[in-house]
Amino acid sequence: DGGITQSPKYLFRKEGQNVTLSCEQNLNHDAMYWYRQDPGQGLRLIYYSQIVNDFQKGDIAEGYSVSREKKESFPLTVTSAQKNPTAFYLCASSRRQGALNTEAFFGQGTRLTVV
Amino acid sequence: AQSVTQLGSHVSVSEGALVLLRCNYSSSVPPYLFWYVQYPNQGLQLLLKYTSAATLVKGINGFEAEFKKSETSFHLTKPSAHMSDAAEYFCAVSVPTGRRALTFGSGTRLQVQP
Repeated sequence: DGGITQSPKYLFRKEGQNVTLSCEQNLNHDAMYWYRQDPGQGLRLIYYSQIVNDFQKGDIAEGYSVSREKKESFPLTVTSAQKNPTAFYLCASSRRQGALNTEAFFGQGTRLTVV
Repeated sequence: AQSVTQLGSHVSVSEGALVLLRCNYSSSVPPYLFWYVQYPNQGLQLLLKYTSAATLVKGINGFEAEFKKSETSFHLTKPSAHMSDAAEYFCAVSVPTGRRALTFGSGTRLQVQP
């Protein structure tokens, strides 16, 4: 089945540690996105990528980093510089924006907790 | 820049009653508009989308939404609520120029009372 796979589903991190969240898609989509979800704030865009080897900062990129070396993969690293990393992280993909049918398809999310 | 406002962070209806979830958008160019649903600890699932074809859009699970340019609205409705409709609903906007990513509203949690 085609879709987006995020792993792990739950992740615990000690303060001061970097951690990487995995996101893989087999939908042959050009664009991929990372969103952060906090209660009452909806989804906020962290980073997005329209093509391989290119990505742009979203609204809350500080303390995060990404790479896009392959079309299928868009890992997100939460660094120790992120002051409040506990949240639900959602990865999504879509055809390149500007085309028809530009809805985003979402993974099941990773819940990150700092302990 | 585009934005979305969802009025009402919590909406409660009785089973069988009309569901109305409000969404207003702001965009300097004709937008694409979407409604997503999220069940606890899961990702988002697309309910319906408006991409400049028919202004009344029908989606899954009996939901529909009407694009009203004059009111900059895209409210979500369902004639008769079911217990399984209890979830969080997000309205989102994207535009074919500028930043090419969905911008989401803050969400509305729908509660369905028996």
